[in-house]
Amino acid sequence: GQNIDQPTEMTATEGAIVQINCTYQTSGFNGLFWYQQHAGEAPTFLSYNVLDGLEEKGRFSSFLSRSKGYSYLLLKELQMKDSASYLCAIHGNNRLAFGKGNQVVVIP
Amino acid sequence: DSGVTQTPKHLITATGQRVTLRCSPRSGDLSVYWYQQSLDQGLQFLIHYYNGEERAKGNILERFSAQQFPDLHSELNLSSLELGDSALYFCASSVELAENTGELFFGEGSRLTVL
Repeated sequence: GQNIDQPTEMTATEGAIVQINCTYQTSGFNGLFWYQQHAGEAPTFLSYNVLDGLEEKGRFSSFLSRSKGYSYLLLKELQMKDSASYLCAIHGNNRLAFGKGNQVVVIP
Repeated sequence: DSGVTQTPKHLITATGQRVTLRCSPRSGDLSVYWYQQSLDQGLQFLIHYYNGEERAKGNILERFSAQQFPDLHSELNLSSLELGDSALYFCASSVELAENTGELFFGEGSRLTVL
């Protein structure tokens, strides 16, 4: 099975940088995804890591360490529209299992 | 627009009733996943179909069932509904290559309210 742990909420200022951590335990691993979800809306894809290291995509970067069962999502130059829940998800065992998400609140 | 279509968008029904939620995946996607998201809860994986065959089952209740049809659309059937079944139900589709999945594209969800 899969066990995914994320902190629940954080507040950050517009323009700042925030790091969202995700630790996991899984019996099968094909990759790790990060999704953004605004309240009441569908999740949207942010990034995907299958090998160790950093993947950069504009203002978002994601890091993976498979040996440590650890990933983080880095959000730079925060904007008000980045206020959302950020979901870490593990692909393995023919499923994509999501963590409960980390709520980020961006304040002016 | 993700290209994944879910109907109905909203549904209000009574306890004990049965409902069917429908999902049309993106053109070309063979995989369909169903998720349940209750208020302030994470996305709970229910079931995954690939090209008409069940691939994996999550914590799906026995009162719930699903299938994927030859045209690749999928239906999630919820029966003997309880108050606790009130939730947002998401369908997602993806292209799958061997053991790797592409990103999942989510539909806008079907909001079920059981009174």
